[in-house]
Amino acid sequence: DVKVTQSSRYLVKRTGEKVFLECVQDMDHENMFWYRQDPGLGLRLIYFSYDVKMKEKGDIPEGYSVSREKKERFSLILESASTNQTSMYLCASSSSGTNREKLFFGSGTQLSVL
Amino acid sequence: GENVEQHPSTLSVQEGDSAVIKCTYSDSASNYFPWYKQELGKRPQLIIDIRSNVGEKKDQRIAVTLNKTAKHFSLHITETQPEDSAVYFCAASGFNTNAGKSTFGDGTTLTVKP
Repeated sequence: DVKVTQSSRYLVKRTGEKVFLECVQDMDHENMFWYRQDPGLGLRLIYFSYDVKMKEKGDIPEGYSVSREKKERFSLILESASTNQTSMYLCASSSSGTNREKLFFGSGTQLSVL
Repeated sequence: GENVEQHPSTLSVQEGDSAVIKCTYSDSASNYFPWYKQELGKRPQLIIDIRSNVGEKKDQRIAVTLNKTAKHFSLHITETQPEDSAVYFCAASGFNTNAGKSTFGDGTTLTVKP
């Protein structure tokens, strides 16, 4: 069974802090994604990566950056957290090839920026 | 880029009734259409998917239909049960990148009343 693990379930940070959200998958998946989930807005893609050290912007990359130094780990970075970044953050992974669109999600990190 | 619209945003049915959720997409290059179910407090999980070379797919009480010409696809749940209560997300993706990134609808909250 694919396991995607996010390091924190709940996180509270202050405005202006640098925030790191960590995600690890154990299925040797090539692709990893960071989504943001807000009520009534569905899941919006922030960044994704299809290889180590590779990254591509999603639909809402502003205010975020990512790091993928190892295949199994994909980090989301909020350089200077703001209150409008309060949200549920979901990490996902997928394999390459014909099944690359099938996403396996982590349990999410509920981030509150005060 | 791709745009996915999902309706209705909320749906309430009596146990045993059928439920239908509809999505439309904008990019004719999209060719993979998954549906994810997210129970309260849990991660989204893939429940059924369809590719553009297929018009309909069934898995027990759930089915998905696709109309490529009209660019819409639907989720059908028959004989609904209380455990079907959840938020359902449709998505669309294509082979435009290595990662096959998905664009999600805004979600439908389904409530099945016993």
